[in-house]
Amino acid sequence: EAGVTQFPSHSVIEKGQTVTLRCDPISGHDNLYWYRRVMGKEIKFLLHFVKESKQDESGMPNNRFLAERTGGTYSTLKVQPAELEDSGVYFCASSQSPGGLAFFGQGTRLTVV
Amino acid sequence: GEDVEQSLFLSVREGDSSVINCTYTDSSSTYLYWYKQEPGAGLQLLTYIFSNMDMKQDQRLTVLLNKKDKHLSLRIADTQTGDSAIYFCAESLGNLIFGKGTKLSVKP
Repeated sequence: EAGVTQFPSHSVIEKGQTVTLRCDPISGHDNLYWYRRVMGKEIKFLLHFVKESKQDESGMPNNRFLAERTGGTYSTLKVQPAELEDSGVYFCASSQSPGGLAFFGQGTRLTVV
Repeated sequence: GEDVEQSLFLSVREGDSSVINCTYTDSSSTYLYWYKQEPGAGLQLLTYIFSNMDMKQDQRLTVLLNKKDKHLSLRIADTQTGDSAIYFCAESLGNLIFGKGTKLSVKP
């Protein structure tokens, strides 16, 4: 069974550009989460989808971040326009039930220069 | 508040036991987790424990949970150089609340 996959693994963009990260959860997992780790700090929650609906987006830092999960399968996280402080590793996770065992992807390392 | 605390660094010699400690704040957490991140890799679910358990053993790994003190520990027996990584403690409150991670260095 395939795990959580994320694409791309690395992205280097200039300040002001747009980047879209993608996450494919484990098949059958309705719950999908985005997290990020900025500059060696804690891994912080961004938002939680249940199927295609945003269950909790309290961790989204500002309106430059837009997450979607059309059709309740894969999810995208768009950063537009990117700022220097957005650099970090963005992780996606999925679980069968809310609060259930969460499995993480490899992460996307985003560098904004 | 939602704070998960863990020491930032641990250095041990190969063959010794490693003990990584963590304190959490919310007693309603259903699961408590240990994740491992090797250099350049993603977060690997290492082990977890239900909140109604005191101990869980899985090969070289032993997890101890003290709910009264909200203290979680991970013991790695016979630590190997391949165990060098960052270990994250996390509590589950719907989403996960992570500690800052403990960097384990194993010296040959």
